[in-house]
Amino acid sequence: DAGVIQSPRHEVTEMGQEVTLRCKPISGHNSLFWYRQTMMRGLELLIYFNNNVPIDDSGMPEDRFSAKMPNASFSTLKIQPSEPRDSAVYFCASFSGGSRQYFGPGTRLTVT
Amino acid sequence: GIQVEQSPPDLILQEGANSTLRCNFSDSVNNLQWFHQNPWGQLINLFYIPSGTKQNGRLSATTVATERYSLLYISSSQTTDSGVYFCAVGGRGGGNKLTFGTGTQLKVEL
Repeated sequence: DAGVIQSPRHEVTEMGQEVTLRCKPISGHNSLFWYRQTMMRGLELLIYFNNNVPIDDSGMPEDRFSAKMPNASFSTLKIQPSEPRDSAVYFCASFSGGSRQYFGPGTRLTVT
Repeated sequence: GIQVEQSPPDLILQEGANSTLRCNFSDSVNNLQWFHQNPWGQLINLFYIPSGTKQNGRLSATTVATERYSLLYISSSQTTDSGVYFCAVGGRGGGNKLTFGTGTQLKVEL
């Protein structure tokens, strides 16, 4: 199993640009999570999906952030427009109920 | 929401020493997991342990759900154990959501 796959691994962009992060969960896992990690705030859950349906998006910081899961094997997290305070490592994780949550390698986003 | 506290925040060990990391949580949980974030940033799941005791090599974990705490034991520590250890919990009624603690930063020295 390839594990959770994220792309890109690193992204550097200018303020105001659109950023799209991508995630492929582990096959057979029915829950997918997007997290953000910063020194100031630690690991924060942004949104999670069950069976491709968004269940809890209370962690999404503002309307500039949006996430979709069009099918069981793909999800995107979009930031438009990006701001310097969005700089962080964004993790995607997946799991199948009653078991461990597995994390992808993360995308390190830098907004200048 | 549920609160998660980890202690100690920082720990320095000599290689070969043993240690115990603690996680306290504020409400009943039906999900508790321990993670290790290595110096390269990768988050590795160590245990899924909402209750009871589990062991995996030099690592073991115990969760006493009725008393709202979990312990992670590291025996015969190695330099590769360095990194941050996170406890994450999911409360009843919280769906599959996990709340992470602030972590214990461990450094193992030769």
